[in-house]
Amino acid sequence: DQQVKQNSPSLSVQEGRISILNCDYTNSMFDYFLWYKKYPAEGPTFLISISSIKDKNEDGRFTVFLNKSAKHLSLHIVPSQPGDSAVYFCAASVRGQNFVFGPGTRLSVLP
Amino acid sequence: DGGITQSPKYLFRKEGQNVTLSCEQNLNHDAMYWYRQDPGQGLRLIYYSQIVNDFQKGDIAEGYSVSREKKESFPLTVTSAQKNPTAFYLCASGRASATGELFFGEGSRLTVL
Repeated sequence: DQQVKQNSPSLSVQEGRISILNCDYTNSMFDYFLWYKKYPAEGPTFLISISSIKDKNEDGRFTVFLNKSAKHLSLHIVPSQPGDSAVYFCAASVRGQNFVFGPGTRLSVLP
Repeated sequence: DGGITQSPKYLFRKEGQNVTLSCEQNLNHDAMYWYRQDPGQGLRLIYYSQIVNDFQKGDIAEGYSVSREKKESFPLTVTSAQKNPTAFYLCASGRASATGELFFGEGSRLTVL
């Protein structure tokens, strides 16, 4: 049973528009959430994180929103660029231990 | 340069052979992890270690073994008992703190012939 879900396997967005990637989790003990970006045949790279004591964290074009009551988080990329095309993984942990990853969403930003 | 180094990047193995994947980090991180990625699936945790000489099974540890004799090194052995070993293997390390991210290596692709 997946504890971290990303229900959209893929997403296509026009360059310059907003990309919204969604993630749902089931374990209410998760208190730290992260987003990773991954290109083929490479390791994931860290993008942005959020602690459960916050509901929003922003870093440049990337913003993560956390809705604890809905057990839902989302990653917003504005404006989207072709270089953002990659697979995005949502991950969650309890006190920084045993990170659990979602299945990923493949984002394609069309020029 | 600080980082995580995995080797080899590509590896071919015959059925019935054990193979060991190397993972070395110079980030002075206490925690190290091994994940497996299959097409269409997320990263599944094989083993992790929070401290030297100690490690824990993850969700899919069967058919794998690890050791953590040094802080910098966390090799993974894929044994012949692993029924479906062909996959992309990722090693990661982290500070083992409540709010710290994982840093990943570039991965090792194992193909069993």
